[in-house]
Amino acid sequence: DIQMTQSPSSLSASVGDRVTITCRASQGISNFLTWFRLKPGKPPKTLIYATSTLQPGAPSHFSGSVSGTDFTLTINSLQPDDSATYYCQQYKSYPYTFGQGTKLEIK
Amino acid sequence: EVQLLDSGGGLVQPGGSLRLSCAASGFIFSNYAMSWVRQAPDMGLQYISDISGNGGKTYYADSVKGRFTISRDNSKNTLYLQMSSLRADDTAVYYCAKTRAAGGVDYWGQGTLVTVSS
Repeated sequence: DIQMTQSPSSLSASVGDRVTITCRASQGISNFLTWFRLKPGKPPKTLIYATSTLQPGAPSHFSGSVSGTDFTLTINSLQPDDSATYYCQQYKSYPYTFGQGTKLEIK
Repeated sequence: EVQLLDSGGGLVQPGGSLRLSCAASGFIFSNYAMSWVRQAPDMGLQYISDISGNGGKTYYADSVKGRFTISRDNSKNTLYLQMSSLRADDTAVYYCAKTRAAGGVDYWGQGTLVTVSS
């Protein structure tokens, strides 16, 4: 199975800050990676697919990138509504696996 | 607008069965693979099953293989997950999800809670 190691597990930042969340794949997954977020009581929301493509309807201050097998979600100009838990998921090969999640708190 | 409405969750005893449904709208249902993802309490996410647009191809995670059956009725725009021989570790919120043509989930249902307990 492909392991997705996500970091940090939690972070706290202020409105207007730029934050980054990283997922490291245990083997090559090409660009088959999605980022999404979970908020309590709401359905998950896909933010980025194919590593760096913004999902229609996702806020434009989210972006994705990759360097080797290190995938990064960048949140520019943090908004109060960005408080959530963020996950990556690889869909290169079964079983499709998730990172452990990053809980983002807005100070 | 894509909408996925999960239903069918509830409390069931160990060894029991339950069928989840996911009513889809806002897209041509038969054109897209669909999947089920679950999140156990205070745990991470697990991709447990998917099915191709015409229903001819399915996938199951090892943890549910032989106990869960995914199916779809394209005439009703509905996805199903038949769960049997349920165990306590199947307790989770179950999300249905739509898959993009090139792979990866793009839309999610709101989730339905399954609790397996005596």
